[in-house]
Amino acid sequence: DGGITQSPKYLFRKEGQNVTLSCEQNLNHDAMYWYRQDPGQGLRLIYYSQIVNDFQKGDIAEGYSVSREKKESFPLTVTSAQKNPTAFYLCASSISRGDTGELFFGEGSRLTVL
Amino acid sequence: AQSVTQLDSQVPVFEEAPVELRCNYSSSVSVYLFWYVQYPNQGLQLLLKYLSGSTLVKGINGFEAEFNKSQTSFHLRKPSVHISDTAEYFCAGISSGSARQLTFGSGTQLTVLP
Repeated sequence: DGGITQSPKYLFRKEGQNVTLSCEQNLNHDAMYWYRQDPGQGLRLIYYSQIVNDFQKGDIAEGYSVSREKKESFPLTVTSAQKNPTAFYLCASSISRGDTGELFFGEGSRLTVL
Repeated sequence: AQSVTQLDSQVPVFEEAPVELRCNYSSSVSVYLFWYVQYPNQGLQLLLKYLSGSTLVKGINGFEAEFNKSQTSFHLRKPSVHISDTAEYFCAGISSGSARQLTFGSGTQLTVLP
């Protein structure tokens, strides 16, 4: 079955540590996205990528980094520079960015900083 | 600024009662509008979308929404809810212009009571 796989589902981190969240899709979609979700704030875009080896900052990119070396993969690194990293992180993909189609979401990764 | 506004953060309703979840969009958001549902600790799933054509859009799980251009609204409705409809619902729209970014509302928690 085609879809988006995020791992790990739950992650705990000590302050000052970088962590990387994995996102893999087998939908052959060109565009991929990372969103952060906090209670009562909806989804906020962190980074997006329209094509391999290219990515753009979203609304809240500070303290995060991404790479897009393969079409299928779009990992997100939460760096120690992110002041408030505890959140639910969602990866998504679409056929291409800005088209009229839908986003397909993974099941999310919940990061807790201890 | 482009925005999507969900007017109610929480909506409690009794089982088998009708429900309406309200969504308004700003004029800078294009008329590509979506409703997504999120069950606890999961990703988002598309309920329905409006791209063009008939202003009444039918989605999965018995939900429907009506696009109202004059009132810039895209309210979600269901005539009779079930316990299993308890979830968070997000309205979203694609911004106009070159950015073509999907903008989410802050979400509405629907709680169906027995």
